[in-house]
Amino acid sequence: EAQVTQNPRYLITVTGKKLTVTCSQNMNHEYMSWYRQDPGLGLRQIYYSMNVEVTDKGDVPEGYKVSRKEKRNFPLILESPSPNQTSLYFCASSPTREAARNTIYFGEGSWLTVV
Amino acid sequence: QKEVEQDPGPLSVPEGAIVSLNCTYSNSAFQYFMWYRQYSRKGPELLMYTYSSGNKEDGRFTAQVDKSSKYISLFIRDSQPSDSATYLCAAVNTGFQKLVFGTGTRLLVSP
Repeated sequence: EAQVTQNPRYLITVTGKKLTVTCSQNMNHEYMSWYRQDPGLGLRQIYYSMNVEVTDKGDVPEGYKVSRKEKRNFPLILESPSPNQTSLYFCASSPTREAARNTIYFGEGSWLTVV
Repeated sequence: QKEVEQDPGPLSVPEGAIVSLNCTYSNSAFQYFMWYRQYSRKGPELLMYTYSSGNKEDGRFTAQVDKSSKYISLFIRDSQPSDSATYLCAAVNTGFQKLVFGTGTRLLVSP
C-alpha cells in the first residue's frame, strides 16, 4: 500500500528542546516536502526536496531544518522550537516536482504543541 | 491578498443536497486546478484535477474552472454524511511548479 508515514503523530514539547519529526514514503518518489497547516492560513510549504541531497526552502522555512540522505526519508528538524511553531505538520511526496502532472500524497499529520 | 481565497465555512447542508464550494484566485499564471478533501485528523487527498477552463465530472463530483473570472468551483450532487470534510482548492503556478492552497471550506452533511 502506498504510504507516507510520519512520526510522532502527537507531541507536546517545551520551548528550546530540539525535536525531529520523521517522514518516510514507500513509493520511490523523488519529490518530498513539508507543510504546516494553521487556521486561517491554510497549508504552507516549509521545505522541499527534489531528490537525495537536494533541498530548498519553501514559503516559511524559518526555524526549521531538513535533510535528505536517503530517497525514502525526509525528516523535519526543529532545533529550538518556539510556541509559534505550534501547528499541524504534513509530510508529502510525489513522483517528481512537476506539481501540475503528479498527485501529491500526504501523510496523516503530526500535531505539535510547543509550550 | 492571498493568491487563492476560500470561504472557511462551515457549510451545513442536509443529506441529498447539492453542494457548491468555491474559490477565487488572483494569479493569471495558474493553469492547473485541484480539489483536495481532508477528513478530520487526516492528510489531504486529491479529489479532482482540471486543466485551464471547463468542467470535469467524476461520479457525484463536478469541478469547474472559469479563467475569465478566476473562479474555481466544486459541485457535489446527492451529498452524503461521508462527504463531511474540509475541501481545499489548489492551483499550480507551472512556471515555478508551485502548488498554492486555499485555506479550506469545512462541509457538514447531516443525515
